[in-house]
Amino acid sequence: QKEVEQDPGPLSVPEGAIVSLNCTYSNSAFQYFMWYRQYSRKGPELLMYTYSSGNKEDGRFTAQVDKSSKYISLFIRDSQPSDSATYLCAIPVNRDDKIIFGKGTRLHILP
Amino acid sequence: EAGVTQFPSHSVIEKGQTVTLRCDPISGHDNLYWYRRVMGKEIKFLLHFVKESKQDESGMPNNRFLAERTGGTYSTLKVQPAELEDSGVYFCASSPLRGQEETQYFGPGTRLLVL
Repeated sequence: QKEVEQDPGPLSVPEGAIVSLNCTYSNSAFQYFMWYRQYSRKGPELLMYTYSSGNKEDGRFTAQVDKSSKYISLFIRDSQPSDSATYLCAIPVNRDDKIIFGKGTRLHILP
Repeated sequence: EAGVTQFPSHSVIEKGQTVTLRCDPISGHDNLYWYRRVMGKEIKFLLHFVKESKQDESGMPNNRFLAERTGGTYSTLKVQPAELEDSGVYFCASSPLRGQEETQYFGPGTRLLVL
């Protein structure tokens, strides 16, 4: 079983829709959870960072962690064409340690 | 503030040749990481420097890969001799030591194609 599982998509939704992106992970010891966004031909950039279970909101983006089911989610409200990118769930093994990435979900927001 | 920079942006070489990738981290970042993404797979960790020391090189695929970070500033990743399966995008990332968050700042990557 992979440590981080993520559906690669692609996922196409109309502009303005709510987008839900998800990952599962296998190691219950993981404490930190991140979402990176990667535009074509660019490097990943940190979008959201959460510690332990719960929700974190930043503008149109909400990250949610459910440690009991080892499930992490990213919600995008009022999606825009500029949100079209690959979204990577990412889990650092420990502080200052390597990151384990999901495969990334390719998202297309249709104008 | 300048971000993580990588050079070259693209490299096309023949099997058996040598290629050297360079990464310049954000100034003051002691942590430097190398990752690789091969087609169809997830981004995978290669190794981690703290200043000039290798903290973790468990992700290095084999001894054809050699990473250095002399002086604790920029880093190089040499592949010698290159094989077809080495093709992919090589990312470098950096972060401050014991920063407040786990953020690693990524460069744009070097796209390597081995023919």
